[in-house]
Amino acid sequence: EPEVTQTPSHQVTQMGQEVILRCVPISNHLYFYWYRQILGQKVEFLVSFYNNEISEKSEIFDDQFSVERPDGSNFTLKIRSTKLEDSAMYFCASKKKGTNSPLHFGNGTRLTVT
Amino acid sequence: DAKTTQPPSMDCAEGRAANLPCNHSTISGNEYVYWYRQIHSQGPQYIIHGLKNNETNEMASLIITEDRKSSTLILPHATLRDTAVYYCIVRADNYGQNFVFGPGTRLSVLP
Repeated sequence: EPEVTQTPSHQVTQMGQEVILRCVPISNHLYFYWYRQILGQKVEFLVSFYNNEISEKSEIFDDQFSVERPDGSNFTLKIRSTKLEDSAMYFCASKKKGTNSPLHFGNGTRLTVT
Repeated sequence: DAKTTQPPSMDCAEGRAANLPCNHSTISGNEYVYWYRQIHSQGPQYIIHGLKNNETNEMASLIITEDRKSSTLILPHATLRDTAVYYCIVRADNYGQNFVFGPGTRLSVLP
């Protein structure tokens, strides 16, 4: 069964550094998402992306964050200057065409900012 | 904010049916009910979704009350690997609506 894949599984970075989290969505999916989960807290929506542009973003997704689909298969989340509070699991998700089709999630990247 | 209410935790004996309730009393006509689960810190796993009819797949059954104000996810024969946090999500049938996760129900399947 096709699945969403995310790399790396764990990323350690120093505060102030830029990080790029990578995702390969399911191949026939058209809608792409990033969520995050701080340890012990809820899964939180960050951003949705369709037709090469951001559809919606949450308050968390400030100017330090950006997303890109550079080559038609990868979907990336960039954090320009990481802060300690960016430490979390970051989940990529995708869904196919169809308003009620479900999201399918990857297994996440654990980002640790030191 | 999530539009659903779930008990924070439940236990179930291995091999028995696990019945996880969800209250969504303010659900509107075009909103679907979705169930996901999260094992440890893995990504949320899609289980099932429905609008008003009961649904069944290889993982679970979804029973939605006639007034659609509540639903139950049924795992017919729970195993230890079903121990997870289960999320009930209500989402409207349009592209602008995102999936909003609440705290979910932590299901513990006991040997």
